[in-house]
Amino acid sequence: DTGVSQNPRHKITKRGQNVTFRCDPISEHNRLYWYRQTLGQGPEFLTYFQNEAQLEKSRLLSDRFSAERPKGSFSTLEIQRTEQGDSAMYLCASSGPGSTMNSGANVLTFGAGSRLTVL
Amino acid sequence: GQQVMQIPQYQHVQEGEDFTTYCNSSTTLSNIQWYKQRPGGHPVFLIQLVKSGEVKKQKRLTFQFGEAKKNSSLHITATQTTDVGTYFCAGAPGNTGKLIFGQGTTLQVKP
Repeated sequence: DTGVSQNPRHKITKRGQNVTFRCDPISEHNRLYWYRQTLGQGPEFLTYFQNEAQLEKSRLLSDRFSAERPKGSFSTLEIQRTEQGDSAMYLCASSGPGSTMNSGANVLTFGAGSRLTVL
Repeated sequence: GQQVMQIPQYQHVQEGEDFTTYCNSSTTLSNIQWYKQRPGGHPVFLIQLVKSGEVKKQKRLTFQFGEAKKNSSLHITATQTTDVGTYFCAGAPGNTGKLIFGQGTTLQVKP
């Protein structure tokens, strides 16, 4: 098990371009989360999946953001028509049934993140 | 909306001094988790608290979950330079699967 893998690690793009990030979770984990983190702030929840179903999406998330997990394994996060305010670290995390201590949120294992810079 | 607040935002201590960070939620939490993020790294899970009033210890770290399940604290005894980093609490409101993170407390330790 190589942990949670994210690609690319760094992406520099011009305003208005589309970008896509990929996350490969720990293989036995059924939940996958996307967070965004800017300097000096905590991770901001974007969305999460259980298997292939997207269970929740932040109401603060622009329509330019879309995430998929078509086969319940890897996930992609696409940002269309990027803006300078989208510059951030995009973190993926996964969790599995074994990390559940109650019916609430699981323990998260984070990837190293994908850093986006929009010029 | 649901919010998780942490104080202080920054703390500078001399090596050997104690450190405490506090976490407060606007809503009752089903559980609370603590993560540590080293400079340039990603958040790494430390511990999860589930029961009202629960206290857990990991070596020099003591974690508490409030009786009302709306607040928590992390206390480090006799800090070391290896404790440097940002400590985040993360709460699970209700029965949802998502975690809401606080803004973190960044600890600097002077040797």
